[in-house]
Amino acid sequence: DAKTTQPPSMDCAEGRAANLPCNHSTISGNEYVYWYRQIHSQGPQYIIHGLKNNETNEMASLIITEDRKSSTLILPHATLRDTAVYYCIVRVGYQKVTFGTGTKLQVIP
Amino acid sequence: KAGVTQTPRYLIKTRGQQVTLSCSPISGHRSVSWYQQTPGQGLQFLFEYFSETQRNKGNFPGRFSGRQFSNSRSEMNVSTLELGDSALYLCASSLTTGGATEAFFGQGTRLTVV
Repeated sequence: DAKTTQPPSMDCAEGRAANLPCNHSTISGNEYVYWYRQIHSQGPQYIIHGLKNNETNEMASLIITEDRKSSTLILPHATLRDTAVYYCIVRVGYQKVTFGTGTKLQVIP
Repeated sequence: KAGVTQTPRYLIKTRGQQVTLSCSPISGHRSVSWYQQTPGQGLQFLFEYFSETQRNKGNFPGRFSGRQFSNSRSEMNVSTLELGDSALYLCASSLTTGGATEAFFGQGTRLTVV
């Protein structure tokens, strides 16, 4: 079973920030939070990951709550090309990786 | 640098046949993972290899097997194909398997079993 829970779908207006939530209430202390996205049957694309602190890269920002039970991926200025299924996963080391059903983000012109 | 390469991209097989899929990881990456993606089940973990050793295995029958070579290239094999094996098979490579290591996925092999 997936260790994460995400809303099945979200809409976002083009140019606005997209905030994608993820619950991982059973995360253990050494598990990282990763975000990937998949655009229409292409291979998933790595976006960002974090352990405790908030992280930012050229694609997105990752906000992890202090208790680490949830996180939010932020796409600061969503474009039509950001329309995809976004997956939040938790893992460490040699663990089996379980992808949940993800959030289908639709960016609307 | 080149990304993860999976061959072939598309494959059509008949029930009962076997198939071998290939994955060439990013140069320097020693970990390779395999996933099956179907509309009904989503992305499911098959197995992970690191330095030619299988480190973890998902809940798939023994018809699904894999191996990794000394150059980190990996193959997966499905024997006695069933219609339900029709799926997109994805391979991901990463530098290591420990700690925080992002995985880079290939474009996948779309297998159709008829």
